[in-house]
Amino acid sequence: DAKTTQPTSMDCAEGRAANLPCNHSTISGNEYVYWYRQIHSQGPQYIIHGLKNNETNEMASLIITEDRKSSTLILPHATLRDTAVYYCIVRGGTNAGKSTFGDGTTLTVKP
Amino acid sequence: GAVVSQHPSRVICKSGTSVKIECRSLDFQATTMFWYRQFPKQSLMLMATSNEGSKATYEQGVEKDKFLINHASLTLSTLTVTSAHPEDSSFYICSATRSGLANYGYTFGSGTRLTVV
Repeated sequence: DAKTTQPTSMDCAEGRAANLPCNHSTISGNEYVYWYRQIHSQGPQYIIHGLKNNETNEMASLIITEDRKSSTLILPHATLRDTAVYYCIVRGGTNAGKSTFGDGTTLTVKP
Repeated sequence: GAVVSQHPSRVICKSGTSVKIECRSLDFQATTMFWYRQFPKQSLMLMATSNEGSKATYEQGVEKDKFLINHASLTLSTLTVTSAHPEDSSFYICSATRSGLANYGYTFGSGTRLTVV
């Protein structure tokens, strides 16, 4: 699985957009980008995933660069409940299903 | 859809005893389940991958005789921590996927906080 790098922490004002970057420069052509978040003492929660095209769902948007070497998760209107650790993972290929978690980004939404 | 139920949510056991943690997929057939361990302020560390009806594949450094994994059906996998010691105290999390294909997401259980005293 490709390694991902994320900033250790980020702050965001409540109501503003939170943009969380992820670098995955060694991603393979058949690997997807997944984003999860983990609120303290809970299991990770799926947010969104994509292969090449930008994706949007009720929780967030995912912007993947054309070369697929990086992506950005966008929470359009962050709330205090979005405070969590956000993990960017790439998965697929021969190890489909097996995911390696990096250290993630601790997002703190402030009032 | 795609709900994974993990029990118990927390358990305290005495050193030397064994503890079983269950992971169930409630509304889908989980061909593959994964077990993770997470220490405080650290990321999730994959322990093993289990496929229904076959032996689990353990990650390097994980003792297969200490962490027994059984995936006897498409909806249930269990992790048994045998002869638990205080250093086994951790947050254990399972996840399940419907398929080995990358475009299927996979769902996590709510985790089990194990404390060995």
